[in-house]
Amino acid sequence: SQQGEEDPQALSIQEGENATMNCSYKTSINNLQWYRQNSGRGLVHLILIRSNEREKHSGRLRVTLDTSKKSSSLLITASRAADTASYFCATSLGGGSARQLTFGSGTQLTVLP
Amino acid sequence: NAGVTQTPKFQVLKTGQSMTLQCAQDMNHNSMYWYRQDPGMGLRLIYYSASEGTTDKGEVPNGYNVSRLNKREFSLRLESAAPSQTSVYFCASKWWSSGWNEQFFGPGTRLTVL
Repeated sequence: SQQGEEDPQALSIQEGENATMNCSYKTSINNLQWYRQNSGRGLVHLILIRSNEREKHSGRLRVTLDTSKKSSSLLITASRAADTASYFCATSLGGGSARQLTFGSGTQLTVLP
Repeated sequence: NAGVTQTPKFQVLKTGQSMTLQCAQDMNHNSMYWYRQDPGMGLRLIYYSASEGTTDKGEVPNGYNVSRLNKREFSLRLESAAPSQTSVYFCASKWWSSGWNEQFFGPGTRLTVL
């Protein structure tokens, strides 16, 4: 079963606008990560936020985490056509070295030029 | 560095045929993973290997076997392919670290079972 669920499933915006995607999860987590997948490619790690952090920035990305609501959001500012991709949240639950990740079903972002 | 590589990129099988998907990483990572991705489902973990010599089942292991051949290579085998195994398969790897567990993904293998 999916631990994380992204919302919306699809998002279409104009270049230059901000894009916000949300992720909700069900159980307590160790950390939450966001990944991007371009069409026909593998996933690329974007950012990791630990359970004791509330906000994190990386370039044009801003991630928030609300553990009381079991939710996270990914904000992409000043979007570009190259940001068109699917975005997935992934949660890390267990301990140990393997630290399995559980992925949500993704948000398909389309940035129109 | 090539990162994570997977072969083949595409494969078509008939029901009942067998095949092995190959994965290799050159980043000296300890942990390796096999996922499948179906439309609208995100990624689901099939098997993983925390370190060389160990393998464990993930969320959807039925119909698959794995081999951690050495630290670099982790293969996924379908002994008797079924149409339900039509999917895109991704291999991933990560450092063996207590704090940082970013996974690095290969480009995927698109498998169709007729």
